[in-house]
Amino acid sequence: AQTVTQSQPEMSVQEAETVTLSCTYDTSESDYYLFWYKQPPSRQMILVIRQEAYKQQNATENRFSVNFQKAAKSFSLKISDSQLGDAAMYFCAYRGSQGNLIFGKGTKLSVKP
Amino acid sequence: EADIYQTPRYLVIGTGKKITLECSQTMGHDKMYWYQQDPGMELHLIHYSYGVNSTEKGDLSSESTVSRIRTEHFPLTLESARPSHTSQYLCASSDGGLAKNIQYFGAGTRLSVL
Repeated sequence: AQTVTQSQPEMSVQEAETVTLSCTYDTSESDYYLFWYKQPPSRQMILVIRQEAYKQQNATENRFSVNFQKAAKSFSLKISDSQLGDAAMYFCAYRGSQGNLIFGKGTKLSVKP
Repeated sequence: EADIYQTPRYLVIGTGKKITLECSQTMGHDKMYWYQQDPGMELHLIHYSYGVNSTEKGDLSSESTVSRIRTEHFPLTLESARPSHTSQYLCASSDGGLAKNIQYFGAGTRLSVL
């Protein structure tokens, strides 16, 4: 069975600085998708970024980028130029052949002004 | 934000009551999902549907039931609520097309059973 591990329950970053959130996963599949979702307090969970396992190039979305290391089964999220609105729970998720998402326990990110 | 709606947002009820959590989406998505999330914890899939009249149980065992009579509507029902059902319930949907791997989430229903 696939598992997703986020080893940082909480992280803190100064506004305008860069922070990296860690995620590792375990799978025997070769074709899958990885996601980072953001859940602001009392608001909807939204997709931050997505990575297809067959693509070697790391995905980027504006200030958000990933470091995808397939062999190491690592999928970290880098947030550049952090803003107060980035404060939220961040969940790493895996989607394999079964089609359903498997989530990590999440990392709570605080942004200090 | 995605067009997926959950009502009520908050619900406090007594033990033994029957409740239905509503979830509707206006995106025409075939696939819909229900997750259970305890505070500060990960999401666990409890039910999913690949279309009308299709429902499946998820990875986490749940005493709740679901139905999918219309594409846009995926309600979750608890016949007799208990304190152990206290949690947040999130509904999601996804497209079967090119964006099929992206799930869109509702704002959630926070349920408290006294």
